[in-house]
Amino acid sequence: KAGVTQTPRYLIKTRGQQVTLSCSPISGHRSVSWYQQTPGQGLQFLFEYFSETQRNKGNFPGRFSGRQFSNSRSEMNVSTLELGDSALYLCASSLGAAGSVEQYFGPGTRLTVT
Amino acid sequence: GENVEQHPSTLSVQEGDSAVIKCTYSDSASNYFPWYKQELGKGPQLIIDIRSNVGEKKDQRIAVTLNKTAKHFSLHITETQPEDSAVYFCAAPPGYSGGGADGLTFGKGTHLIIQP
Repeated sequence: KAGVTQTPRYLIKTRGQQVTLSCSPISGHRSVSWYQQTPGQGLQFLFEYFSETQRNKGNFPGRFSGRQFSNSRSEMNVSTLELGDSALYLCASSLGAAGSVEQYFGPGTRLTVT
Repeated sequence: GENVEQHPSTLSVQEGDSAVIKCTYSDSASNYFPWYKQELGKGPQLIIDIRSNVGEKKDQRIAVTLNKTAKHFSLHITETQPEDSAVYFCAAPPGYSGGGADGLTFGKGTHLIIQP
């Protein structure tokens, strides 16, 4: 079974620009969660999507948004990029059913903002 | 919200020895505790997890123990090997349930170094 895939793997953007990251979950998984990983703050939860609806949300500004498509693929968008948005963005896939809480991570997208 | 603390931040052990990493959590309603291993350039890999109705779980050289009263859980790796070198993270979900995969709160990580 293929794992979680994320594209692109690396991205360099300039302050003020916007960026879109993509995540394809494990086949059959309907929940996709997004996390930001930085050396200073560690791993922090951004949001979770299930059946095309945002079900849970972390404590990030509105510049961070996401969506999920009917095939469970998800995209994350960051607008008006700031230097502090430089991070590894990780997507995690889960079955999404009640009681199925195991989350499986993709390799991440390394975003550098200059 | 949930607060997870992890110790130590760095752990160096001789190959073949055991390693223990400890985490405490704040939300007494949390009921699921996973451990992840992250190697350089890769995403975190789920290596073992435990639910609150179980005190201990083993998978070959890896075990996790949970003490709900004290609100702490630990990862035990026996007979360590060079390939065990990585950063290990503990995590816990919020005590409330938003349904399904709730956002995990992660510890700051432990850099495990296996000395040959």
